[in-house]
Amino acid sequence: AQSVTQLGSHVSVSEGALVLLRCNYSSSVPPYLFWYVQYPNQGLQLLLKYTSAATLVKGINGFEAEFKKSETSFHLTKPSAHMSDAAEYFCAVSEGTDKLIFGTGTRLQVFP
Amino acid sequence: DAGITQSPRHKVTETGTPVTLRCHQTENHRYMYWYRQDPGHGLRLIHYSYGVKDTDKGEVSDGYSVSRSKTEDFLLTLESATSSQTSVYFCAISQTGNNEQYFGPGTRLTVT
Repeated sequence: AQSVTQLGSHVSVSEGALVLLRCNYSSSVPPYLFWYVQYPNQGLQLLLKYTSAATLVKGINGFEAEFKKSETSFHLTKPSAHMSDAAEYFCAVSEGTDKLIFGTGTRLQVFP
Repeated sequence: DAGITQSPRHKVTETGTPVTLRCHQTENHRYMYWYRQDPGHGLRLIHYSYGVKDTDKGEVSDGYSVSRSKTEDFLLTLESATSSQTSVYFCAISQTGNNEQYFGPGTRLTVT
């Protein structure tokens, strides 16, 4: 079965600093990979997805993620954090043909 | 935004009472999912459906049942609510099971 590990349940950065949120998955077979964002009291919104095309995936709000098969990683980055990026971020991986497995989430705080 | 609604949005109920949560979609997606979200656990799959009257269990299905009699509706029932089922419940939909999911706004359930 697939599993997803998000290193760091909380990440704090200053406004304007680089954002790096880490995600590692367990499969040796390249799966579909996703990053979602959740703002307070809302559902999850898709940020970006990897489906075996380009290994560098660009998403909404200036975020991007790079698929690295050798490291089984799919880390999320943004060059310059904005206060509005404060939210919880979830990495997810496809499991078989029917469902996704989600990580436990990373809460991003952005300080002025 | 994908057309997904959940009802009710908030509910407080007593231990031992039955509770039904409803998810309604207007996108005609084949797959529908119920998750619960708890601090430190991320999103955990309760049950999912891959078509009308076709359902399967997720990782935390004990104490929950589901039904899908129409493409657009997916019901989650707690037969006899317990305090451990206090959580935020999210419905999601997907055209294909292993690709992106779209989430509803969530239902906050408190069992006293």
